[in-house]
Amino acid sequence: EAGVTQFPSHSVIEKGQTVTLRCDPISGHDNLYWYRRVMGKEIKFLLHFVKESKQDESGMPNNRFLAERTGGTYSTLKVQPAELEDSGVYFCASSSRTGFIYSSGYTFGSGTRLTVV
Amino acid sequence: SQQGEEDPQALSIQEGENATMNCSYKTSINNLQWYRQNSGRGLVHLILIRSNEREKHSGRLRVTLDTSKKSSSLLITASRAADTASYFCATDVGSYIPTFGRGTSLIVHP
Repeated sequence: EAGVTQFPSHSVIEKGQTVTLRCDPISGHDNLYWYRRVMGKEIKFLLHFVKESKQDESGMPNNRFLAERTGGTYSTLKVQPAELEDSGVYFCASSSRTGFIYSSGYTFGSGTRLTVV
Repeated sequence: SQQGEEDPQALSIQEGENATMNCSYKTSINNLQWYRQNSGRGLVHLILIRSNEREKHSGRLRVTLDTSKKSSSLLITASRAADTASYFCATDVGSYIPTFGRGTSLIVHP
């Protein structure tokens, strides 16, 4: 089966511009997660979708970030306007069930490396 | 602050040596997972250990869990250059949202 796909793989934008990241989860996976890793720091949770609904968005840093998952399939994460501190790698993950209740873990995409200059 | 913290932050060894990384966490967990991230790639799930387990093996990987000390270790035996990557532990504290640390950067010299 196809894995979790993220694009673009890299994006370099200027401060103040808008960027939209996309994540295509594994087909049939209801749960979709966004994470971010700023250089040298931990991988931080941003939000969790169950189908098209936001289950938990407690990790979203501020209102410049908007995540959507229309139709419960792919998800987008828009940053508008982008700031320098938004630079980092944005990961998406999907799972068919919630929680570590099975041994195969979550399937992560390759990430989008965002650089704001 | 993050739930899991990996130690050391960086580890450099020669091919064939064993690599040991540790993870400490703060609150009680249901499960703990280890992931690997190769440069420029996504996170790859390595192994899961449940809170009622003490040790698990998968190929050259050995994971231990000590819930009394709130710590886990990942041992990679007979390391290879291809093991060069960042390694993260992720804990599940009941919210079913995996919580990651900063990771250990492992370099294996051929």
